Amino acid sequence: QAVVTQEPSLTVSPGGTVTLTCGSSTGAVTSGHYPYWFQQKPGQVPRTLIFDISNKPSWTPARFSGSLLGDKAALTLSGARPDDEAEYYCLLSYSGAWPVFGGGTKLTVL
Amino acid sequence: VQVVQSGGGSVQPGGSLRLACAASGFTVSSKYMTWVRQAPGKGLEWISVIHNDGSTYYADSVKGRFTISRDNSKNTVYLQLNRLGLDDTAVYYCACLYCDNWGQGTLVTVSS
Repeated sequence: QAVVTQEPSLTVSPGGTVTLTCGSSTGAVTSGHYPYWFQQKPGQVPRTLIFDISNKPSWTPARFSGSLLGDKAALTLSGARPDDEAEYYCLLSYSGAWPVFGGGTKLTVL
Repeated sequence: VQVVQSGGGSVQPGGSLRLACAASGFTVSSKYMTWVRQAPGKGLEWISVIHNDGSTYYADSVKGRFTISRDNSKNTVYLQLNRLGLDDTAVYYCACLYCDNWGQGTLVTVSS
């Protein structure tokens, strides 16, 4: 089973920009991994932020964007707000195996 | 659009439960419907999906014990959980991930 790695925690200042990354133990993350990003606030149901690298459900604010950055998937938040404080999870799909979540990044806006 | 889950609860090790995920506002048979779980204080774990063509896939941790299915007439997806163990204790979510349509979650507690 592949291991998906994320930063355990990050801090961003209000109005600032932060990039969360998502790596794979199998090598470079590519479009074939169909990267997803999810946001989960304490006590709440997760929500899908980004799918297939950079596509957004209708609710996703424009300040969030997804990309491939080097050999990882990336989620960039530009213009952070206090309400963006949450746990962020990525999900990668693997050919011939099941999708795997990363361990999550706890984002603090401070 | 709404996804309403039911069927969680407490069960002894080795027991079984069936979770249901009833959708409104969209047709489950036209989507990929996924089950994800979250153990207390832990991260998300992908466990199963049923594709629009009816094909099903499982994580190794549940393969052979859990079965995903759907009833098109009820627009409902199910997850049958058999041979439950202590580490199956979690909140189980049903979702169309790329649609951002998630159920409210249902708690499964395995305890003796």
